[in-house]
Amino acid sequence: QVQLQESGPGLVKPSQTLSLTCTVSGGSLRSVGYYWSWVRQFPGKGLEWLGYVYYSGSTYYNPSLKRRVSISVDTSKNQFSMEMTSVTVADTAVYFCANEQMGGLFNYWGQGAPVTVSS
Amino acid sequence: ETVMTQSPATLSVSPGERATLSCRASQSVGSNLAWYQQKPGQPPRLLIYGISNRATDIPVRFSGSGSVTEFTLTISSVQSEDFAVYYCQQYYNWPPVTFGQGTKVEVK
Repeated sequence: QVQLQESGPGLVKPSQTLSLTCTVSGGSLRSVGYYWSWVRQFPGKGLEWLGYVYYSGSTYYNPSLKRRVSISVDTSKNQFSMEMTSVTVADTAVYFCANEQMGGLFNYWGQGAPVTVSS
Repeated sequence: ETVMTQSPATLSVSPGERATLSCRASQSVGSNLAWYQQKPGQPPRLLIYGISNRATDIPVRFSGSGSVTEFTLTISSVQSEDFAVYYCQQYYNWPPVTFGQGTKVEVK
């Protein structure tokens, strides 16, 4: 069974860049038809999809984030990463990495990485 | 962007009772509608996809129905482990996807 684990700093200062990594075990990032995604959950519990990367390196991002997000993949380490630039307090959330199949269904999730944006 | 609206925000039910949760889409999502369950401290778990198909290992007491813009998740007889927050999600316009704001099922 595919398992995902997020890692990264839990505290980021406003205007800085948030960087998180997701390590995948029990499966390969090269699996055909699997997309590797980031989803965040705000303190009020709403969920927002941030984007995905395919093992080939192709990406798609949520247009609402205005190009602040980039996602990359390292198949040699079976990891994928997310960077969000120019963070504000509104970016405080729990960040999940997830495995996306069948064009938009999230079958496997990490446990989530809480991130607080504060000076 | 397709906006997903769930109702009610909170549903109070007694164990053994039937629970009916609603989800409305701002435009047609075809059959590309899923439901997730989330318990405290855990990530969401896929329950239903394609409006009415149960995901792996999901009990038969969970069922989904609806079409076009109006959808329902029914728990036929709520068990203690079912008290959680439930989210609907559309993937018709994938990518991106959008989620509803959630319905909390709590003990009455």
